[in-house]
Amino acid sequence: GNSVTQMEGPVTLSEEAFLTINCTYTATGYPSLFWYVQYPGEGLQLLLKATKADDKGSNKGFEATYRKETTSFHLEKGSVQVSDSAVYFCALRDYGNNRLAFGKGNQVVVIP
Amino acid sequence: GAVVSQHPSWVICKSGTSVKIECRSLDFQATTMFWYRQFPKQSLMLMATSNEGSKATYEQGVEKDKFLINHASLTLSTLTVTSAHPEDSSFYICSASPPSGNTIYFGEGSWLTVV
Repeated sequence: GNSVTQMEGPVTLSEEAFLTINCTYTATGYPSLFWYVQYPGEGLQLLLKATKADDKGSNKGFEATYRKETTSFHLEKGSVQVSDSAVYFCALRDYGNNRLAFGKGNQVVVIP
Repeated sequence: GAVVSQHPSWVICKSGTSVKIECRSLDFQATTMFWYRQFPKQSLMLMATSNEGSKATYEQGVEKDKFLINHASLTLSTLTVTSAHPEDSSFYICSASPPSGNTIYFGEGSWLTVV
């Protein structure tokens, strides 16, 4: 079945540092890939998405490229801010339906 | 503004009672909605697919008699946690998509605490 794997553990970094969160997936067919963000006490918000290989999703300074050859969709941001502190979830969706499979999530803490 | 709304956002109930959570699509009709559950510091797990006018489809390991899902209209799905126990305390969130598009909208989520 479909699955998403995110790197283990929380991520703590200083303001203006470079952020990378790894995400790899296992899927049949041609899934769409997503990054969702969950701020403290809130629901999920779509951060960015990519629907086919080599697509790059971007939003709010975050980027992720759909790499079919490595089955990856790593999230990056060049200079994080304190306001980026949140939990980030990688997810995939099968073609043709709207069920999502989520990774475990990574808590990101940005220190001033 | 929100296109999928959940209510209530927070609920505390006593063990043994039942609690209902609503998920509404505000700007579109949704023949299918999804219910997820998130335990503290864990990921979201799909519980069930709510189908308008028919029975919900439950994921393996989810008790259908405990988590009753009713999708009585094209804009409303309800999740009822029956005979709630403290281990049911969790964050429940729904999602829906317009029939014409593939954008997935999430509700704000509902925090359930069973005491």
